[in-house]
Amino acid sequence: DGGITQSPKYLFRKEGQNVTLSCEQNLNHDAMYWYRQDPGQGLRLIYYSQIVNDFQKGDIAEGYSVSREKKESFPLTVTSAQKNPTAFYLCASRTQGTEAFFGQGTRLTVV
Amino acid sequence: GQQLNQSPQSMFIQEGEDVSMNCTSSSIFNTWLWYKQDPGEGPVLLIALYKAGELTSNGRLTAQFGITRKDSFLNISASIPSDVGIYFCAGAGSARQLTFGSGTQLTVLP
Repeated sequence: DGGITQSPKYLFRKEGQNVTLSCEQNLNHDAMYWYRQDPGQGLRLIYYSQIVNDFQKGDIAEGYSVSREKKESFPLTVTSAQKNPTAFYLCASRTQGTEAFFGQGTRLTVV
Repeated sequence: GQQLNQSPQSMFIQEGEDVSMNCTSSSIFNTWLWYKQDPGEGPVLLIALYKAGELTSNGRLTAQFGITRKDSFLNISASIPSDVGIYFCAGAGSARQLTFGSGTQLTVLP
């Protein structure tokens, strides 16, 4: 079945450590997005990518990095520069003019 | 970035009641989307609207794309306990233009 898969579902990070969240889609969508969600809050855009090898900063990109080497994959790295990384991270994909589909999310906790 | 004003922020209703929530924007969108999010899960698409004035139903859910292309509403009729969750609206256009409202937290009381 087609869909968008995030892994892992739960991730623990030590202070000063970089971690990478995976997002893979087999929907043949051009655009992919990363959002951050804090408890009781809406979705804030971190990065998005319209095509392979191209990506743009969203509203809260500081402390995060991404790559788009393949159309299917858009991994997000949470770097040590992100001072408050504990949150729920959501990946989405879409083709222009259509609806967006989300993965199941990754809950990142700093320990 | 662009802002969507979604209201109400939260609702407490009795089982069986109807619910209405809406989103407004200062920008025009080509597409309006409505999602539901259960705790610890990703949002799931409920209804997609592509034309100004369009009224679309999905079971007990009805949504409309405002004629000005700057607003949309979602109605839920005869609410049931499994309707509990957070409902998000989203306005979409170009690949860059995918903006979400802040969500409506719905609680259904027995």
